[in-house]
Amino acid sequence: GENVEQHPSTLSVQEGDSAVIKCTYSDSASNYFPWYKQELGKRPQLIIDIRSNVGEKKDQRIAVTLNKTAKHFSLHITETQPEDSAVYFCAASMEGNKLTFGTGTQLKVEL
Amino acid sequence: NAGVMQNPRHLVRRRGQEARLRCSPMKGHSHVYWYRQLPEEGLKFMVYLQKENIIDESGMPKERFSAEFPKEGPSILRIQQVVRGDSAAYFCASSTRPGGANRGATEAFFGQGTRLTVV
Repeated sequence: GENVEQHPSTLSVQEGDSAVIKCTYSDSASNYFPWYKQELGKRPQLIIDIRSNVGEKKDQRIAVTLNKTAKHFSLHITETQPEDSAVYFCAASMEGNKLTFGTGTQLKVEL
Repeated sequence: NAGVMQNPRHLVRRRGQEARLRCSPMKGHSHVYWYRQLPEEGLKFMVYLQKENIIDESGMPKERFSAEFPKEGPSILRIQQVVRGDSAAYFCASSTRPGGANRGATEAFFGQGTRLTVV
């Protein structure tokens, strides 16, 4: 089955800096890669996703890149703000939406 | 349009009791997925259901756990004879019909979760 690895497990940045989180997946059949943000005690919320026919997608301060050949994808957050502090999960999926999640990155944005 | 609704939000059970977790998908969504999140860990897939059908239960423990999604009513995740190791947050997600071969999968929206504590 699919295996998703995520790095780093914790990330501290200064407010205004950029944050990058990287994930790799194992199954070349995966074609959908969402990113979720989870605040303490709350539900995972989809922040951005990318499909395998696209190499990059951007939504304001958030961007995701996908390298199908290398089987890795990354989340980029620019101009970080304190409210970006949360746990971020990457995931990979094939048809049918069973998501395989990475282990999460605890992002802390310091003032 | 209400989101994915889960209840109860918090559930406390004594060892050996049964736990029933309910999930009502978003309106128009016919696919339901259950995930378990242990403290300080990521989400692990448990089971994928459509109405009256279990599509993929590869993540379900072989014993004590079962799930259903009846024609009418919410999806139910049932845990019999709970043990302390079952304490976790259980999240339900729903989505529309997955896309065809050229469209790929569609977004899954999560409920608020049920936090099960076994004492």
